[in-house]
Amino acid sequence: DQQVKQNSPSLSVQEGRISILNCDYTNSMFDYFLWYKKYPAEGPTFLISISSIKDKNEDGRFTVFLNKSAKHLSLHIVPSQPGDSAVYFCAASVYYGGSQGNLIFGKGTKLSVKP
Amino acid sequence: ETGVTQSPTHLIKTRGQQVTLRCSSQSGHNTVSWYQQALGQGPQFIFQYYREEENGRGNFPPRFSGLQFPNYSSELNVNALELDDSALYLCASSLGFGFLEHFGPGTRLTVT
Repeated sequence: DQQVKQNSPSLSVQEGRISILNCDYTNSMFDYFLWYKKYPAEGPTFLISISSIKDKNEDGRFTVFLNKSAKHLSLHIVPSQPGDSAVYFCAASVYYGGSQGNLIFGKGTKLSVKP
Repeated sequence: ETGVTQSPTHLIKTRGQQVTLRCSSQSGHNTVSWYQQALGQGPQFIFQYYREEENGRGNFPPRFSGLQFPNYSSELNVNALELDDSALYLCASSLGFGFLEHFGPGTRLTVT
């Protein structure tokens, strides 16, 4: 039973346009959400996060939106660049005991940004 | 500042054997988390070590065990290997219970 779902295995976008990656979750106890980017032959790297007390967090070209009632979050990349081509993982955690090591990941979405 | 490193890069083992994977934490980090990523899946939490003590464990059987050393490097040991253990094994380090910023490149384990 997947608690974090990324229903689009892949996404192709033209350079300069917006990329929107979606993520749904089922566990209402999740209170912290993260996005990671992974290039081939490298480990995932943290990109941006959002706490459940917020509905938006922005960092440069990257913005994450959280809709708690729909249990849905999305990552917007504007403008998209060819270097953004990677696999993007959505992850969630329950901040119990102060530990965020136990992250629940989605299966990932492979983003391809075409020049 | 050195990042998270893992060894070996690739490993092939036979069913029933035992394997040890190694992880060196990012400088200054005292917490290590291990994840298993099967093909086509997202990483799945195995366990976390903080100051040489296990601090949380995912849904993995006892034949998955770990160690953290005084220099905060870590080992993941898997006994009685099964075919389904074939996966990419990732470790990540953090300072205390902060979120995981960087993962190592992983060890690709193939069990035949």
